[in-house]
Amino acid sequence: AQTVTQSQPEMSVQEAETVTLSCTYDTSESNYYLFWYKQPPSRQMILVIRQEAYKQQNATENRFSVNFQKAAKSFSLKISDSQLGDTAMYFCAFMTPRARQLTFGSGTQLTVLP
Amino acid sequence: ETGVTQSPTHLIKTRGQQVTLRCSSQSGHNTVSWYQQALGQGPQFIFQYYREEENGRGNFPPRFSGLQFPNYSSELNVNALELDDSALYLCASSLGDRGLGEQFFGPGTRLTVL
Repeated sequence: AQTVTQSQPEMSVQEAETVTLSCTYDTSESNYYLFWYKQPPSRQMILVIRQEAYKQQNATENRFSVNFQKAAKSFSLKISDSQLGDTAMYFCAFMTPRARQLTFGSGTQLTVLP
Repeated sequence: ETGVTQSPTHLIKTRGQQVTLRCSSQSGHNTVSWYQQALGQGPQFIFQYYREEENGRGNFPPRFSGLQFPNYSSELNVNALELDDSALYLCASSLGDRGLGEQFFGPGTRLTVL
């Protein structure tokens, strides 16, 4: 079974600064996908970024980037130039083609301070 | 392009009752997954439907059941409601026979069991 661990229940960052959210996972699979989802108070789960395990290059989406360390089973999210709208719960998630389901971590509540 | 929609937004039931939650998938998507998100936790996978057939199931009892219709919309049914069933129920749609790649979430249904 796969597990996803987010060890930071809460974090805060000043507006315009950079913050990194941590995520580790455990699996015996070699082919899988990793995701970061954002859930603001509106409850809508929004995909932030996706990484395919067979790609060595770290994914980047505008101000969001990941540091994917496959050997260490680590998948951290870096948010640059933090904005007030980034305030949300962030979930790390894992999926394999075989399991066909998203396994989520417990989440990190990020607050961006003005 | 129409996003994922869910109804109702909120629902209050009493223990022992039955409930049906509904989900309309994003245009062009043929796979629907359901998740339960208890307060303060990450979503837990309930099951997935692809072309009207169950395509994977998480660790939930048989009183959680579902349907997918020819237009790819879906229902989640829960019988004999228990207090612990109180949660946010999320529906996600995706394209592909195994839900590979991004899953796009609806806004959720908040179920309260009294």
